Amino acid sequence: GENVEQHPSTLSVQEGDSAVIKCTYSDSASNYFPWYKQELGKGPQLIIDIRSNVGEKKDQRIAVTLNKTAKHFSLHITETQPEDSAVYFCAASSPRRGDYKLSFGAGTTVTVRA
Amino acid sequence: SQTIHQWPATLVQPVGSPLSLECTVEGTSNPNLYWYRQAAGRGLQLLFYSVGIGQISSEVPQNLSASRPQDRQFILSSKKLLLSDSGFYLCAYSPARAQETQYFGPGTRLLVL
Repeated sequence: GENVEQHPSTLSVQEGDSAVIKCTYSDSASNYFPWYKQELGKGPQLIIDIRSNVGEKKDQRIAVTLNKTAKHFSLHITETQPEDSAVYFCAASSPRRGDYKLSFGAGTTVTVRA
Repeated sequence: SQTIHQWPATLVQPVGSPLSLECTVEGTSNPNLYWYRQAAGRGLQLLFYSVGIGQISSEVPQNLSASRPQDRQFILSSKKLLLSDSGFYLCAYSPARAQETQYFGPGTRLLVL
């Protein structure tokens, strides 16, 4: 089945700097890659997603890039703010499975220092 | 607009007691529904998913069961709770028109003592 690895597990950045989280996936047929942000005590919130027919997608201060050849995708957060502190999860979905289940990375705890 | 509700928000139960967690979705028909568990500081473990009323697939053998009595209602149950059932339980749905995209509920924190 699909295996998603996420790095780093923790990330501390100075306010205003950029943060980058990387994920690799194993199934070359995977074609949908969402990113979730989970604040303490809350459910994960979908913040951005990308499909395999697109190399990059941007939404204000966040962007996601996809390299299908290398089978990895990354989340970029620019001009980080204290409210960006949270746990971020990447995920991948493969049509090879015949369903729409997501395989999640283990998560990255991002701390933005004021 | 679409929304997802879970209740209760927090639950403290003794070992051996039964459990019933409820999830409901509004604003969409025939969604796929999911139950996840998240241990403290850990990732998301898929427990059950459902593509329709009465259709439940279990991902891992465990002490829990799920039911979908109505199109937009998903229930997680146990007859006898174990200490290891403690965790943060998340319900998610994906709309029929975008089945890959999952949206999560606010979660239920369960503590079994």
